[in-house]
Amino acid sequence: DVVMTQSPLSLPVTLGQPASISCRSSQSLVYSDGNTYLNWFQQRPGQSPRRLIYLVSNRDSGVPDRFSGSGSGTDFTLRISRVEAEDVGVYYCMQGTHWITFGQGTRLEIK
Amino acid sequence: EVQLVESGGDLVQPGGSLRLSCAASGFTFSSFEMNWVRQAPGKGLEWVSYIDRSGTTIFYADSVRGRFTISRDNAKNSLYLQMNSLRVEDTAVYYCVRAASLFDYWGQGTLVTVSS
Repeated sequence: DVVMTQSPLSLPVTLGQPASISCRSSQSLVYSDGNTYLNWFQQRPGQSPRRLIYLVSNRDSGVPDRFSGSGSGTDFTLRISRVEAEDVGVYYCMQGTHWITFGQGTRLEIK
Repeated sequence: EVQLVESGGDLVQPGGSLRLSCAASGFTFSSFEMNWVRQAPGKGLEWVSYIDRSGTTIFYADSVRGRFTISRDNAKNSLYLQMNSLRVEDTAVYYCVRAASLFDYWGQGTLVTVSS
């Protein structure tokens, strides 16, 4: 199975400051069709996961442009340019290239 | 608006059975592959099962293979998960999720508690 490793697992951030979450896969996530099936999800307290980013860097409709995704191969990053209070929650990366696996989750909190 | 509404979660004893349902609306259900994903209390996300558009190609996580059965009824816009031989470690919120590798829409989840 492909292992997805997120870091850090806990991320205290001051309001208005940037935040970054790393996600590394144990194998390249480039699929035979040329796509890289790497998604990012946000799970706010008490809510279902919500997709933020798909195919590494494509932001979903309604997702603020302060969220961005980047990376390639085995190394990926979710960035929040200026953290707001509503960003509190757990963030998961997920690969869909070699079946489905999720990262452990990164808990973002406000300092 | 895409909606996925799960139901059927309950408290069940170890060894018992339960059937979860997911009612889909706001999109052409028969055109999308579907998944079940679960989340144990305070834990991360775990993929459980996948079904293709017609219901002919199905996959399961090792942890549930042989005990759980995924199915769908495209005429009723519904996805199901039959869970047998339930274990304490199956306790989780179960989410219905649209699409194969893109997981673009999630339901609100239904809680399954396995306890004596």
